[in-house]
Amino acid sequence: DAGVIQSPRHEVTEMGQEVTLRCKPISGHNSLFWYRQTMMRGLELLIYFNNNVPIDDSGMPEDRFSAKMPNASFSTLKIQPSEPRDSAVYFCASSKTSGDTEAFFGQGTRLTVV
Amino acid sequence: KQEVTQIPAALSVPEGENLVLNCSFTDSAIYNLQWFRQDPGKGLTSLLLIQSSQREQTSGRLNASLDKSSGRSTLYIAASQPGDSATYLCAAQPGTGANNLFFGTGTRLTVIP
Repeated sequence: DAGVIQSPRHEVTEMGQEVTLRCKPISGHNSLFWYRQTMMRGLELLIYFNNNVPIDDSGMPEDRFSAKMPNASFSTLKIQPSEPRDSAVYFCASSKTSGDTEAFFGQGTRLTVV
Repeated sequence: KQEVTQIPAALSVPEGENLVLNCSFTDSAIYNLQWFRQDPGKGLTSLLLIQSSQREQTSGRLNASLDKSSGRSTLYIAASQPGDSATYLCAAQPGTGANNLFFGTGTRLTVIP
């Protein structure tokens, strides 16, 4: 398996623009997580899905952030409109829901909002 | 809410030295604890996962232990090498049925040749 695949790796956008981050989890994993990493706050969970259903979105900062998982092999995180304080590295991770729940991370998307 | 702490925040050791990284968590009711490595500008690489029923896990020069009752885990690295230089993060999965992870802030390790 190629692991968790995220795209794009880097994104630079202007304030107010819409940004969409994409993630393909590991085949057979039915839990998917979106995390954000900043120097100030470290790694924070934004939202996670089990079997394509959002379970906990309490970490989503505000209504400008939304996430979808239309099927087991694809998820998006959208920011609209983007703001400079959204600049961070966004990671997607996947795992099995039960049993061996070892989590595997993608390489991340470095987002810069200017 | 689970709070995870890692001490020290940074550590510098000469090559060949054995070292221990510490992780503590406030809620002992965890499902498992996972150790990751992160290289600068990269994603997180899973190193070891310890289930709540286990006391330790080993992989090569790495050994991770778990003491749930005291809320502690340690990562032992034997015979450190410059290639071990990275940030090491521990993460606790709650035992409530939720399978998200609560992360510590990491220990940045530098192994000096």
